[in-house]
Amino acid sequence: SQQGEEDPQALSIQEGENATMNCSYKTSINNLQWYRQNSGRGLVHLILIRSNEREKHSGRLRVTLDTSKKSSSLLITASRAADTASYFCAARGTYSGAGSYQLTFGKGTKLSVIP
Amino acid sequence: DTEVTQTPKHLVMGMTNKKSLKCEQHMGHRAMYWYKQKAKKPPELMFVYSYEKLSINESVPSRFSPECPNSSLLNLHLHALQPEDSALYLCASSQDQGNKEKLFFGSGTQLSVL
Repeated sequence: SQQGEEDPQALSIQEGENATMNCSYKTSINNLQWYRQNSGRGLVHLILIRSNEREKHSGRLRVTLDTSKKSSSLLITASRAADTASYFCAARGTYSGAGSYQLTFGKGTKLSVIP
Repeated sequence: DTEVTQTPKHLVMGMTNKKSLKCEQHMGHRAMYWYKQKAKKPPELMFVYSYEKLSINESVPSRFSPECPNSSLLNLHLHALQPEDSALYLCASSQDQGNKEKLFFGSGTQLSVL
């Protein structure tokens, strides 16, 4: 299974602090994506990092990827109350037949940012 | 327009009912997906349509029947569901099934089966 495993499962921080979430996966990937989900809503794509990239930035987001350790981290800097949501990593596998490269989501980290 | 629209937002149905979930996108995307998400769990892939043809069926029970009438619409027909089928059903789309593609999700249908 490609399924990512996020760590921690839940994270509570004060507004203005940085939040770091980690994700591990099991097999080779083409890319790894991070999504955000507000309670009971759809997921929103945040950032994609390819297997040949090590770090990527987008606004207050910084993603790293270590393919040797099969892990990724998402850093949200200067967090805001509006960042409160669940964050999922999703691994896109390398192609090895129909369906093998579908996105497989990790269990998610629930982030609470306290004003 | 970067929206995926799902209707209804909420649905309560009995185990003998037949209902349908609808999904629409006008981004010209050629891949559309149904995911099922239980509370506090990640989304689980159910079906993938690529160029209006079913390309992936993740061993979903036959009481769930997908349909793709055209490139903008995706339906999920429900019949004789069980209480354990209660979940958030998410529709998503992407440009195609290429490996670089990100998914655009709808807001979901919260389904309760009584």
